[in-house]
Amino acid sequence: QQPVQSPQAVILREGEDAVINCSSSKALYSVHWYRQKHGEAPVFLMILLKGGEQKGHEKISASFNEKKQQSSLYLTASQLSYSGTYFCGTKPIQGAQKLVFGQGTRLTINP
Amino acid sequence: GAGVSQSPSNKVTEKGKDVELRCDPISGHTALYWYRQSLGQGLEFLIYFQGNSAPDKSGLPSDRFSAERTGGSVSTLTIQRTQQEDSAVYLCASSLASYGEAFFGQGTRLTVV
Repeated sequence: QQPVQSPQAVILREGEDAVINCSSSKALYSVHWYRQKHGEAPVFLMILLKGGEQKGHEKISASFNEKKQQSSLYLTASQLSYSGTYFCGTKPIQGAQKLVFGQGTRLTINP
Repeated sequence: GAGVSQSPSNKVTEKGKDVELRCDPISGHTALYWYRQSLGQGLEFLIYFQGNSAPDKSGLPSDRFSAERTGGSVSTLTIQRTQQEDSAVYLCASSLASYGEAFFGQGTRLTVV
């Protein structure tokens, strides 16, 4: 079942912060975050495994609340290069092990 | 290879013709995924291969779509009797294991005219 992302779109000025949320109706084993720029393939950002861990990558970090079956991606002091569409992908604990993506969140950073 | 390779990068075909799209995953990667992305849309899951297990075909939109993976490596996605609504970018991804990060190829842009 497809995870649900919110918001669908965000427009920020450079230097502002953003949070993108991802929620699932299923108990999750892992959450994967990707960024896709226009005309390019999705690029891996980070993976979070069940256990409620938080990860960071420069000024981009994420958390995973397995009890709520939710993950959030945090972008702090956004840069122009952060623009793109962000996708979360999820794998359930039980059942089919396919990686299913949310509908994406379009992030636009203006100077 | 260094990354996931897909061919052709672009394919224009006439409605009703069959097409084959190829994916060469990263060497040693046991998991392979196919996704479809229509213009401005999300990543629609099509099919998932993991090792020698039976593939998960639950995302294939119709029986015109099929895929195989030979020798646990190269995969081919076949679309028979193409329709205009099949026009999209078809993306392939592979990962080292079922739970690992997935690396995407650059995709095949299919246009049905």
